[in-house]
Amino acid sequence: TAGITQAPTSQILAAGRSMTLRCTQDMRHNAMYWYRQDLGLGLRLIHYSNTAGTTGKGEVPDGYSVSRANTDDFPLTLASAVPSQTSVYFCASSGIGTGLNEQFFGPGTRLTVL
Amino acid sequence: DQQVKQNSPSLSVQEGRISILNCDYTNSMFDYFLWYKKYPAEGPTFLISISSIKDKNEDGRFTVFLNKSAKHLSLHIVPSQPGDSAVYFCAGGGLSGSARQLTFGSGTQLTVLP
Repeated sequence: TAGITQAPTSQILAAGRSMTLRCTQDMRHNAMYWYRQDLGLGLRLIHYSNTAGTTGKGEVPDGYSVSRANTDDFPLTLASAVPSQTSVYFCASSGIGTGLNEQFFGPGTRLTVL
Repeated sequence: DQQVKQNSPSLSVQEGRISILNCDYTNSMFDYFLWYKKYPAEGPTFLISISSIKDKNEDGRFTVFLNKSAKHLSLHIVPSQPGDSAVYFCAGGGLSGSARQLTFGSGTQLTVLP
């Protein structure tokens, strides 16, 4: 079982360009999440999805959009990247009803916006 | 407003000794808490959790203590091993609107010295 995969592993992007970070899970989890990790700030929630077809905003949603067309995939799109979006991005998933709702994380995408 | 705070950015401990990582929270609506461990260039991995109705949960070398009146939790690792060197995040969990969400602290870098 692969769990959660993210692509690309890393990317350098020119400011103003768009990019989609991909996330796929094979655990049939209902809920999926996108976080960014920045030094001194921990993990901050960008967007989430409780189930396919629904999405919601997290703590830092500005400049990002998501879609959830099916259970497995949860892409994160930066429409026009800015340097402050330089970060490490983690996708996570959880299965509703699994006790204390542990979230499983992917390996991350390191994004640098110049 | 940081709902979950880890005030110690780093901690160094000698191998074989006890490591104590601390976490404070302000949101009384959290109904469970989790600790995650993160190695460089990897995603966070779940370590241990505790429900807000308990004051202690133990799993092998790892024990989490919860003091609800003080809004404080701690992770004890005993004995500490060099492989425990990682960044540790605590997180509070609960319902936010219709979603179960986690709010993370900023992390503590634990270094276990051989």
